Amino acid sequence: QVQLVESGGGVVQPGGSLRLSCAASGFTFSTYGMHWVRQAPGKGLEWVAFIRSDGNYKSYADSVKGRLTVSRDNSKNTLYLQMNSLRAEDTAVYYCAKPHNGGNSHWGQGTLVTVSS
Amino acid sequence: AIQLTQSPSSLSASVGDRVTITCRASQGISSGLAWYQQKPGKAPKLLIYDASSLESGVPSRFSGSISGTDFTLTIDSLQPEDFATYYCQQFNSYPPLYTFGQGTKLEIK
Repeated sequence: QVQLVESGGGVVQPGGSLRLSCAASGFTFSTYGMHWVRQAPGKGLEWVAFIRSDGNYKSYADSVKGRLTVSRDNSKNTLYLQMNSLRAEDTAVYYCAKPHNGGNSHWGQGTLVTVSS
Repeated sequence: AIQLTQSPSSLSASVGDRVTITCRASQGISSGLAWYQQKPGKAPKLLIYDASSLESGVPSRFSGSISGTDFTLTIDSLQPEDFATYYCQQFNSYPPLYTFGQGTKLEIK
C-alpha cells in the first residue's frame, strides 16, 4: 500500500534553514510528480510546491518562491523540501502528497515546522 | 493566478440533511478540481477528483458537479462522521499553481 512518511520538522529561528524529507513506498515513485502542502496552525491548506516525476520541472507558490526548493532522489524514493530564510509565517504542518488522476490521493502524516526565536 | 472562492465558510447542519458547498474559480479550469475532507489533526482525504469523479472507497452520498466555473460538493443524508472541514483544490491552471479554496467547516446543528 502507498505510504508517505515525512520527517525533518522542528523548531528553527527566523532566517534559519531546515530540510524536510518524505520517504515514499508502495508505488513506483519515479513515475509520479509530487506535491508539498502546508497548513499553519488553525488555518487552511496551502499548496507549496510541485515537482515532476523526473525532477526537471518544478513550480512554487508565490509565498515561498526563492526561499523553498523542492527536489527528489528517485534512487532513494525520497522527496525533499529545502527551506531557507525561514519566517514566522512558514510555521505549519508540512505534508507531502501523491497525485492520482485529478487529485492528491495519498498524504503523509505531516511534519511540524515552527519558526520562532 | 487563479483564485478559488469557497462558500459558505461555515455551515451548521443536522444528521440526515443534504448540504452543498460551492467553489468558484476566478477563471476557467475545465474540470480540474478536487474536493477533500479534513478532520482535526489528520491529513486531508480525497473525496472527488476531476470535478465529479468519486474517489475509490468514498461513500456514494458524496457527489461533485460543475457548471462553468462553479463547482459544487453535495453530501446527501449527512452522517455523524461527515462533520469536518472541506476544501477544494484546482489542478488545471497554467503555469501550474495548485491553489486551495479557503475551506468550509461543517458543524453539527
